[in-house]
Amino acid sequence: NAGVMQNPRHLVRRRGQEARLRCSPMKGHSHVYWYRQLPEEGLKFMVYLQKENIIDESGMPKERFSAEFPKEGPSILRIQQVVRGDSAAYFCASSPPLAAGEETQYFGPGTRLLVL
Amino acid sequence: AQKVTQAQTEISVVEKEDVTLDCVYETRDTTYYLFWYKQPPSGELVFLIRRNSFDEQNEISGRYSWNFQKSTSSFNFTITASQVVDSAVYFCALSEAIPYDKVIFGPGTSLSVIP
Repeated sequence: NAGVMQNPRHLVRRRGQEARLRCSPMKGHSHVYWYRQLPEEGLKFMVYLQKENIIDESGMPKERFSAEFPKEGPSILRIQQVVRGDSAAYFCASSPPLAAGEETQYFGPGTRLLVL
Repeated sequence: AQKVTQAQTEISVVEKEDVTLDCVYETRDTTYYLFWYKQPPSGELVFLIRRNSFDEQNEISGRYSWNFQKSTSSFNFTITASQVVDSAVYFCALSEAIPYDKVIFGPGTSLSVIP
């Protein structure tokens, strides 16, 4: 059973460009979470999605950031018009539906975004 | 509000020493989950343990052990006979309602094990 997959692992963008980060959850997992880790800091929650629904986006910046988890395909975290302050590691985690008996969130390897 | 405090920012130990990483949490909920994750220099997050609030039994897994004390809201992590491969950042984390809630991470403790 493959783990959570994220791509790309490293992404370099110039200021003003768009960044698209992809996350494929573990098989059987329908819940996806995105976290951001700024340099020298811990992880901060951004958004929690189930298939086709955003459940909690309280950690998402109000502008330029959006997330989706379509019925088919990976979850996408999209950052428009990136700025240097967006440089960070972005982690995706997935978990199975409630009552599956395995409530732990499993994390992907992260995408390191560098904005020049 | 939920909060996780890891007061030790950085710890250095000599190989084979024991080391304890402290974690103190705050929550108003009676049902919650506590976690430890390891982040080695390669950057990925490695799940170590999950503990629910109703299970106060201490746990041992090889050289790792965890001490959950509800009375002091602490969930400390001890590595016995540390090894160089244990060098990493360790995060303690809290969640109040899996899987419908977010995991709140502490700031992390950077452990360096010196040969």
